[in-house]
Amino acid sequence: AQSVAQPEDQVNVAEGNPLTVKCTYSVSGNPYLFWYVQYPNRGLQFLLKYITGDNLVKGSYGFEAEFNKSQTSFHLKKPSALVSDSALYFCAVRLRMDSSYKLIFGSGTRLLVRP
Amino acid sequence: DTGVSQDPRHKITKRGQNVTFRCDPISEHNRLYWYRQTLGQGPEFLTYFQNEAQLEKSRLLSDRFSAERPKGSFSTLEIQRTEQGDSAMYLCASSPENAQYNEQFFGPGTRLTVL
Repeated sequence: AQSVAQPEDQVNVAEGNPLTVKCTYSVSGNPYLFWYVQYPNRGLQFLLKYITGDNLVKGSYGFEAEFNKSQTSFHLKKPSALVSDSALYFCAVRLRMDSSYKLIFGSGTRLLVRP
Repeated sequence: DTGVSQDPRHKITKRGQNVTFRCDPISEHNRLYWYRQTLGQGPEFLTYFQNEAQLEKSRLLSDRFSAERPKGSFSTLEIQRTEQGDSAMYLCASSPENAQYNEQFFGPGTRLTVL
């Protein structure tokens, strides 16, 4: 079965420190990879994606993610966290051979940035 | 605001009642998706439309669920004889026709509570 794992339910970090939110996947083939963020009472907002090419992908709000094919991981990173980054983060994959382009999501990681 | 709207934002109903949700995608987007998100979980795919054609349905979409997109624009999701297990956030997303490399744009969701 195709699956996405976010091993940490919550990540706590102090403002100004670097943050990492982990994501690993188990799918057939080489998927497209996405990160979304969800703020309270709002829908999912796209952060960044990996399609092909450079393993380091830069996205919105200073976030970046590193694709590692051998470890089947796509960890989200930011060099300096802000209190406003506190939210729920979802990793998602899309299978290249799936004509519907539907997303398979992880269970989410809550990021808490303390002042 | 992604440009995808959903109505209502919240719905409280009694078990056994029917409910209907509406999604208005971004106007030029041909692809439309419904997902369901329960507490502590990531969104799970329910169904997919390309224009007015419903091309894929998840096993999660029981016979009590029906979705339509009659003119290839807005979509409705109806749940008949609601059960407490139907309580969840129902998310709609859309993307363009040639969306192989594109992200999906999500609406704010409809939160359903079944008493």
